[in-house]
Amino acid sequence: QQQVKQSPQSLIVQKGGISIINCAYENTAFDYFPWYQQFPGKGPALLIAIRPDVSEKKEGRFTISFNKSAKQFSLHIMDSQPGDSATYFCAAGIQGAQKLVFGQGTRLTINP
Amino acid sequence: KAGVTQTPRYLIKTRGQQVTLSCSPISGHRSVSWYQQTPGQGLQFLFEYFSETQRNKGNFPGRFSGRQFSNSRSEMNVSTLELGDSALYLCASSLDFGVVTQYFGPGTRLTVL
Repeated sequence: QQQVKQSPQSLIVQKGGISIINCAYENTAFDYFPWYQQFPGKGPALLIAIRPDVSEKKEGRFTISFNKSAKQFSLHIMDSQPGDSATYFCAAGIQGAQKLVFGQGTRLTINP
Repeated sequence: KAGVTQTPRYLIKTRGQQVTLSCSPISGHRSVSWYQQTPGQGLQFLFEYFSETQRNKGNFPGRFSGRQFSNSRSEMNVSTLELGDSALYLCASSLDFGVVTQYFGPGTRLTVL
């Protein structure tokens, strides 16, 4: 019930294309869903986050779509650039409890 | 504002030894969490500290422990190191207790030989 399942494990997208990464969760108590971006040798950096009272949140080229009934959320990267090549992690948490549960990560490669 | 700092960045130890890792949260942040990252298990929650007290603990053996100081800096300790403890240990800083938005440091890469 504490798991967050992330897919795909790896993704290759052409420059300028749309990258889509999906996550699913079981625990309906989760009320905070962040995405992190991690480059080799660095710690995860908070990219964007959403709460279940909205279905979509956009920040620049990054958009989170959230489907509460399906218990799924996804990250869309528009106009993907080679600099977006990194590992992306979805996570889920509960306000009032510090612990985040992470997906297994998606290694994204943007081909120039 | 400076980010989360972790020291040392790299560490090599042998089985049976113990190790202490340090974390300084973002200035003004009072809550610190620790995570272990491995290729096989991904990112796993170790524990969380606020106001010098452990508030939550993940599913790790008692060899993993931590503490927090009055200035919010935190240390984690691993005793009797095993090969499987080789990992990237990440510290995450949060503004206050129960604020789930977390900012990660660069991590300490621990290699156990």
